[in-house]
Amino acid sequence: ILNVEQSPQSLHVQEGDSTNFTCSFPSSNFYALHWYRWETAKSPEALFVMTLNGDEKKKGRISATLNTKEGYSYLYIKGSQPEDSATYLCASGSSNTGKLIFGQGTTLQVKP
Amino acid sequence: DTEVTQTPKHLVMGMTNKKSLKCEQHMGHRAMYWYKQKAKKPPELMFVYSYEKLSINESVPSRFSPECPNSSLLNLHLHALQPEDSALYLCASSQGKGWDTGELFFGEGSRLTVL
Repeated sequence: ILNVEQSPQSLHVQEGDSTNFTCSFPSSNFYALHWYRWETAKSPEALFVMTLNGDEKKKGRISATLNTKEGYSYLYIKGSQPEDSATYLCASGSSNTGKLIFGQGTTLQVKP
Repeated sequence: DTEVTQTPKHLVMGMTNKKSLKCEQHMGHRAMYWYKQKAKKPPELMFVYSYEKLSINESVPSRFSPECPNSSLLNLHLHALQPEDSALYLCASSQGKGWDTGELFFGEGSRLTVL
C-alpha cells in the first residue's frame, strides 16, 4: 500500500447500531496514526493519535486499534447516535518523509 | 483558547486577482500547515512551517505563496490562480515541531472559488 485508504467510503446505519471502519496505510517507516472526526461546517477534531503496534484507545463509545505490522487501524463506534454523523478521517505519518498523509474519509450517517 | 481561526470563510476571485488566506492560532503551537481539499478527496498537504521556517513544500505551484510572519500567523498568498485551484483550504497547527508530537488542530477552512 502506497497511500492511505479508508473503507467503506460511506455508511448509513440506524441509531443504536454498532459500526466500524478501516484505515490502511503503508507499514514501512510508520510513525503515527491519527483519527479525526469532521462534522459538516465545522473543523476536523482529533479523536486519537496512536504510535505503538497493538495500541487500543477509547473515548466514550468510540475506540480504535492499531496494527503497524500489517498497516491497518480500525475505528469502532458502539451504539451509534445521530450526533455521530460525520466524516471520519485517518492520517498516517511516515518517519522517512516527515509527512502526515490523509485518507479520503468514511462518511457516516446515523438515522434516528 | 484551542481555536484555529481562518479568514475569510469564503473567497471568490478572478484568475488575475491577488488575494490572501489568513490563519491564526494562540495555543503556542510551533508547527503550522496548509492542506487543500477537493470534494470527495483526501486533504492534500501543501506546506508545513516548523518554528516559522518552511520545512515542507509539496511541489506546490508558485501561484501559491505561503508566509509565516510570526509563530501565531500563517498566510497563503494567491495570485494568477486557475479554476482548478477552487477547493477548501484548511489550516492546522500542532505542538512542537510537527505532527509527530501530537494531534493537529484545524480551522474551519476557507472555501475558494476561482472564476
